[in-house]
Amino acid sequence: SQKIEQNSEALNIQEGKTATLTCNYTNYSPAYLQWYRQDPGRGPVFLLLIRENEKEKRKERLKVTFDTTLKQSLFHITASQPADSATYLCALFSGNTPLVFGKGTRLSVIA
Amino acid sequence: EPEVTQTPSHQVTQMGQEVILRCVPISNHLYFYWYRQILGQKVEFLVSFYNNEISEKSEIFDDQFSVERPDGSNFTLKIRSTKLEDSAMYFCASIERGGRYEQYFGPGTRLTVT
Repeated sequence: SQKIEQNSEALNIQEGKTATLTCNYTNYSPAYLQWYRQDPGRGPVFLLLIRENEKEKRKERLKVTFDTTLKQSLFHITASQPADSATYLCALFSGNTPLVFGKGTRLSVIA
Repeated sequence: EPEVTQTPSHQVTQMGQEVILRCVPISNHLYFYWYRQILGQKVEFLVSFYNNEISEKSEIFDDQFSVERPDGSNFTLKIRSTKLEDSAMYFCASIERGGRYEQYFGPGTRLTVT
């Protein structure tokens, strides 16, 4: 069956460190993968998109990698700040299915 | 910056009642979506809408659900006879055009069915 797994439900990290979140998938051939931020009681906010033929994408302190052999994406936040505390969702689009979300990882950045 | 808006922010209804959730997508966007998120669970796709018709729907989107774009700005989700298990956050989202894949989500409507 098809699965998207974000391995950690929750991740605590010290301010200033790099947070690394993982998204693994099985039985998908995604055309692209997206990362969203979701704050409590709010809608997801788009952060980054990476296509199947791209290895890495960056945006300010954010970096996403995509390894289609490992079926994995890593999402990094460098120099993390308490304001980065939120739930981060990965989502896949495979061309013949709607956007499918993982359950998310709740990141807490501790000052 | 343009944003997707949704009303109401919270709707409480009794089981068996009809509810209409409203969304105003970003004005130049062409593709529209409804998602739901049960508390503590994943964001789940319900339906997509393009060119005034449903382009795709999930198994969740059964005959109790319908969508409409009654005018040039609003996009509505109707649940005809609500069930307890319909309690969730409902998010509307839109995409500017084909080939652009980042979805812009609204703040959501919390639906509570009692």
